[in-house]
Amino acid sequence: QMQMVQSGPEVKKPGASVKVSCKATGYTFTSDYIQWVRQAPGQGLEWMGIINPSTGSTTYAQKFQGRVTMTRDTSASTVYMDLGSLRSEDTAVYYCARDGSYECSGGNCHPGWLDPWGQGTLVTVSS
Amino acid sequence: EIVLTQSPATLSLSPGERATLSCRASQSVSSYLAWYQQKPGQAPRLLIYDASNRATGIPARFSGSGSGTDFTLTISSLEPEDFAIYYCHQRSNWPPTFGQGTRLAI
Repeated sequence: QMQMVQSGPEVKKPGASVKVSCKATGYTFTSDYIQWVRQAPGQGLEWMGIINPSTGSTTYAQKFQGRVTMTRDTSASTVYMDLGSLRSEDTAVYYCARDGSYECSGGNCHPGWLDPWGQGTLVTVSS
Repeated sequence: EIVLTQSPATLSLSPGERATLSCRASQSVSSYLAWYQQKPGQAPRLLIYDASNRATGIPARFSGSGSGTDFTLTISSLEPEDFAIYYCHQRSNWPPTFGQGTRLAI
């Protein structure tokens, strides 16, 4: 079945960068977009961005522009989320999720629903 | 960006009861709304998409309704495993956004 498997927990110092991986299995990697969402401790869900694994094109939330980079390795069916200039407020669980329903119509494109999700990667930023 | 407001923040019910959760959008999202369930220590799981369609494997006791700005998730008869946090999510406008969640508690 479709599955998203993420890399393990990370501890980073303020100012550093972190790279989280997300391996997709059980479907054709290049056929569906992948989104990233994060969740700070005890808080809600925050959308970070989306990548097209086929072309590598990305769209990022304005909040993360200039700090986040999403890439992919099609040979490994894996996407990566790199977040730089880390601060304590970036402490969160980072999720990747398959977007199987991205659609474009009349020049307007809509991201799709998130299913399935990866298990999450806890990133802790602490001095 | 579109703000999704969920109510109530916490809903306290018992197994067997009916649960009604609300999500209101700051502007119309048509039917581009989904609901997710999240249990402690787990990733969210898609329950309902396009406002009223159950995702694969989701029991029939879960149903969604609404369009435009007002949406409802109904659980017809609560099972013990349904006590969790529920989030709504819109994909009508960029960026996609989530509600702040409703905690369904015993």
